[in-house]
Amino acid sequence: KQEVTQIPAALSVPEGENLVLNCSFTDSAIYNLQWFRQDPGKGLTSLLLIQSSQREQTSGRLNASLDKSSGRSTLYIAASQPGDSATYLCAVLPYQAGTALIFGKGTTLSVSS
Amino acid sequence: KAGVTQTPRYLIKTRGQQVTLSCSPISGHRSVSWYQQTPGQGLQFLFEYFSETQRNKGNFPGRFSGRQFSNSRSEMNVSTLELGDSALYLCASSSPVQETQYFGPGTRLLVL
Repeated sequence: KQEVTQIPAALSVPEGENLVLNCSFTDSAIYNLQWFRQDPGKGLTSLLLIQSSQREQTSGRLNASLDKSSGRSTLYIAASQPGDSATYLCAVLPYQAGTALIFGKGTTLSVSS
Repeated sequence: KAGVTQTPRYLIKTRGQQVTLSCSPISGHRSVSWYQQTPGQGLQFLFEYFSETQRNKGNFPGRFSGRQFSNSRSEMNVSTLELGDSALYLCASSSPVQETQYFGPGTRLLVL
């Protein structure tokens, strides 16, 4: 059974710091991996999607990497800003799963000015 | 393009009642998935509909059901509500299948 773990559960950093969020999954048979952002009481915003054949994706100050063999992904946020404060969720899409994403519990990030 | 919309945004019900939630996907998207989010269990997949057919189902009791209409709009229904059904219900649409899923703002259901 696929399980997704995100460590740490919470993280507080000062503005301007570079940071890394971690995601691990137990079964490497995935079609893709997505990182989402969720603001309190809101829906999810897709940040980056990495196909299983890819190693990384970049969007602005965000860079996500994928190492299927070790079951790990990282989300790198450069020069953090208070507006980056949110919960970041990692989700994997197993093969033959249709659209049934399996989510981690998330990392809640707080960036102080 | 308009995003995924969900109605209502907030709902309060009592135990034993039933509830229907609605989701309108992004124009052109034919796949709609539903998820339940609770503090304890996190986000869990409920079911997916594609072209009016349920294509995949998560591990939830039969009290949770859904349907999809010819215009791709989807509804989910929960019958005989329990306190534990209090959650944020999110729907997501995607096209083509297995690409990025776009989530709506959710419906927050409180069961008293």
